[in-house]
Amino acid sequence: GAGVSQSPRYKVTKRGQDVALRCDPISGHVSLYWYRQALGQGPEFLTYFNYEAQQDKSGLPNDRFSAERPEGSISTLTIQRTEQRDSAMYRCASSSSGRRLSGEQFFGPGTRLTVL
Amino acid sequence: EDKVVQSPLSLVVHEGDTVTLNCSYEVTNFRSLLWYKQEKKAPTFLFMLTSSGIEKKSGRLSSILDKKELFSILNITATQTGDSAVYLCAVEALPAGGTSYGKLTFGQGTILTVHP
Repeated sequence: GAGVSQSPRYKVTKRGQDVALRCDPISGHVSLYWYRQALGQGPEFLTYFNYEAQQDKSGLPNDRFSAERPEGSISTLTIQRTEQRDSAMYRCASSSSGRRLSGEQFFGPGTRLTVL
Repeated sequence: EDKVVQSPLSLVVHEGDTVTLNCSYEVTNFRSLLWYKQEKKAPTFLFMLTSSGIEKKSGRLSSILDKKELFSILNITATQTGDSAVYLCAVEALPAGGTSYGKLTFGQGTILTVHP
C-alpha cells in the first residue's frame, strides 16, 4: 500500500480480555516500530524490529505486552489481560533503514484502544 | 534515562506571525534530532538534524541544531491557519548496551494554534 496501515482503527474491550493490534508497514521497509501515545503526549517507544528480529523491546511496559513480526513484514502487538491503564493510541511506524541511522519513520493512523 | 523537553507547551498566534518552537534534550549516544507535525492523525516528518549549526529549510519552516547546548529550534515564518498542529521533537539515540538504531524519544509536543 501507499502508507503504513493499522487495524483495527478502534478497539473497545473489557478489562481482562486479550487484544491483538495489527500493523502493515510500507512495502519493503526493513524497520518497524511500535509506539503508544497518550492524549496530549508525544509517542512513547515500545519495541522495534529489524526484519523479523525484535531488536529492542525495552519500552514494553510489562510481560502482558508482546510483539512479533514472523515474516519480516506485518507485525502484531498483543496485550494480554488488558487493564484500563492500557487505554491509549497505539501507533506503528516503519522506515527503510536497517541497523544504520534510521532517518524518517513513517507513522500509521494508529489503533485507539479503550479498555472498559 | 533519555529526556526531551519542548517549550512552550502551547502557543496562540495570528496569521502572519513568526513563531519559534524549542526543544532541549538529554540523551546518551545522540544520533539525530527529528521534528514532526501532527494534526488529527499520524505524525508527519518535517526535518532530521544531525550536525550542529546547519540550518534545514523547507518553505516557511526552518530548523537548526546546537549539539553543544543540546537544543534545537523550529521556526515558522508568515504563519497560516494550516500550520495549526502539534509539533513534536524526537531524539534518536543508541540504547544503552544495545546495538540497534532507530529508537526515538519524543517530547510532549507544542500545540500551535494560528488564528485568521
